[in-house]
Amino acid sequence: EVQLVESGGGLVQPGGSLRLSCAASGFTVSSNYMSWVRQAPGKGLEWVSVIYSGGSTYYADSVKGRFTISRHNSKNTLYLQMNSLRAEDTAVYYCARGGSGYSMGYWGQGTLVTVSS
Amino acid sequence: QSALTQPASVSGSPGQSITISCTGTSSDVGSYNLVSWYQQHPGKAPKLMIYEVSKRPSGVSNRFSGSKSGNTASLTISGLQAEDEADYYCCSYAGSSTLGVFGGGTKLTVL
Repeated sequence: EVQLVESGGGLVQPGGSLRLSCAASGFTVSSNYMSWVRQAPGKGLEWVSVIYSGGSTYYADSVKGRFTISRHNSKNTLYLQMNSLRAEDTAVYYCARGGSGYSMGYWGQGTLVTVSS
Repeated sequence: QSALTQPASVSGSPGQSITISCTGTSSDVGSYNLVSWYQQHPGKAPKLMIYEVSKRPSGVSNRFSGSKSGNTASLTISGLQAEDEADYYCCSYAGSSTLGVFGGGTKLTVL
């Protein structure tokens, strides 16, 4: 059974850093494209970052240069390192496994990141 | 990339059919048959309902169907049920060197 479990969210001050983790089971992270998608309170979904099986990474303009997506193959875990956090980064962050046709077939339960002083 | 355009809300009575539109551009929806739709209930993670414009994942009711014409994709839900009340998001591939783009979301109310 495919499972994705995010962790690492919490309250952080503006300018601070946080690392999110997404522990996967039931499949191999490095063989799939994996994404981080966020949802600000009361708002819609925003694709934040993706890492392909070959290692290529892409980012939304809103986080480029501040966020880094990575994976640890032996731990079968996806990460999102978030630096220079801003109030507008406050959101629930979901990790998702890529599926056919550039879709996201499996999602974690999400982890809340709150950036506030 | 700009967000795809969806109506903010739609509504229908049980048993009726509704359609949610998703309008993009020739750089995303219009160029690729890679549109997906997600259902999200309050406080829950999104769930994939349609991929590649019109394909249903295993386990998704055949009351859900998708289509595309030009730069606009559509999700149709037939035989509306109370449990269909949720937010729905479309998403499109937008090229090999960029992320996909989501629509702003549509709140479906079952009257």
